[in-house]
Amino acid sequence: KQEVTQIPAALSVPEGENLVLNCSFTDSAIYNLQWFRQDPGKGLTSLLLIQSSQREQTSGRLNASLDKSSGRSTLYIAASQPGDSATYLCAVRDFSGGGADGLTFGKGTHLIIQP
Amino acid sequence: NAGVMQNPRHLVRRRGQEARLRCSPMKGHSHVYWYRQLPEEGLKFMVYLQKENIIDESGMPKERFSAEFPKEGPSILRIQQVVRGDSAAYFCASSPPAFRSTDTQYFGPGTRLTVL
Repeated sequence: KQEVTQIPAALSVPEGENLVLNCSFTDSAIYNLQWFRQDPGKGLTSLLLIQSSQREQTSGRLNASLDKSSGRSTLYIAASQPGDSATYLCAVRDFSGGGADGLTFGKGTHLIIQP
Repeated sequence: NAGVMQNPRHLVRRRGQEARLRCSPMKGHSHVYWYRQLPEEGLKFMVYLQKENIIDESGMPKERFSAEFPKEGPSILRIQQVVRGDSAAYFCASSPPAFRSTDTQYFGPGTRLTVL
């Protein structure tokens, strides 16, 4: 059964810093891995999706990497801004979680960017 | 193109009552997923449906919970005889018919259920 772990659980940094969020998963047989953003009281917004054959994806100030063999992914946020404050969720799509199409989520990293 | 819609956004029920949560997928999407987020927990997969079919309900509690996605109308997640432990945010997601490895699931804003 797939398990996804995110470290740290919470992070607070001053504005402008670069930061890294970590995600690990136990079963490397995945279709893809996604990073989502969740704002309080709201739904999830997909940030980046990395297919199992890819090593990284970039969107603006965000860069996500994937090392499938070691079961790890990182989300790198450059030049952080107060608007980046949110909970960041890592999720994998694999054959074991949710009938091959459901996603298995980590508990998230709660990020606060101090102005 | 409207996103995934869920209603109600907030639902309060007393113990023993029934809760009905609705989800309308994005236009053109025929796959619906329900997830539950308990306080301080990650999202947990509950059930995966296509039109008129339950494909996988491995994450559904064995009792009191049911889901449907009829030919016409929204998908419904029904919780009978609610208990306080059912208090959570329930999210619906949808995906297109050909769910490729490059495709994401699109999430609704969630329904926050509070059981008194």
